[in-house]
Amino acid sequence: DIQMTQSPSSLSASVGDRVTITCRASQGISNYLAWYQQKPGKVPKLLIYAASTLQSGVPSRFSGSGSGTDFTLTISSLQPEDVSTYYCQNYNSAPLTFGGGTKVEIK
Amino acid sequence: QLQLQESGPGLVKPSETLSLTCTVSGYSISGGYYWGWIRQSPGKGLEWIGNIYHNRNTYYSPSLRSRVTISVDTSKNQFSLKLGSVTAADTAVYYCARGRPYGSGSFFDYWGQGTLVSVSS
Repeated sequence: DIQMTQSPSSLSASVGDRVTITCRASQGISNYLAWYQQKPGKVPKLLIYAASTLQSGVPSRFSGSGSGTDFTLTISSLQPEDVSTYYCQNYNSAPLTFGGGTKVEIK
Repeated sequence: QLQLQESGPGLVKPSETLSLTCTVSGYSISGGYYWGWIRQSPGKGLEWIGNIYHNRNTYYSPSLRSRVTISVDTSKNQFSLKLGSVTAADTAVYYCARGRPYGSGSFFDYWGQGTLVSVSS
């Protein structure tokens, strides 16, 4: 199985800050990487797929990059409504695997 | 508008079988996507359980494969999850979701609201 490691596990930043979350795959997965946002008590929501393609309706302050084993999710200007846990997911092939999550809070 | 809704018992006894159904509305389950189950233990991260394609090809998590069956009923536009020999470690919110296929993999673009299943005597 491909292991997905996210860092940091949590972060606290101010409104307007640029926030970067990293996801590392234990072996190359090309660009078969998705990012999800899960607000407290809510259902996960797809943000990005194919490492950098924004899902319809997702604000443009979210962006993704990377290929192979190293990926990043960036929030260009953190907003209060971005308080969430973010998960990466490998979909290169089954078994599908998720990262452990990164909890983002407002300082 | 595509919607998914999980249904099934919220409480299951240890050693018994957990059974959930996902009803899909607004889209035909035969339409060429994967249909998957994902769970989230209290306070923990997301864990993929398995996917089924409309042609009934299935893919399961290796850690759960011996206990899991996912099936599809195209006449009812539903797919189902059965997880046998449950223990307290299977207590989780169970989500059904639609998966956009890439080979045997998929990411999930529509999710159900989730249903909490507790395993307790």
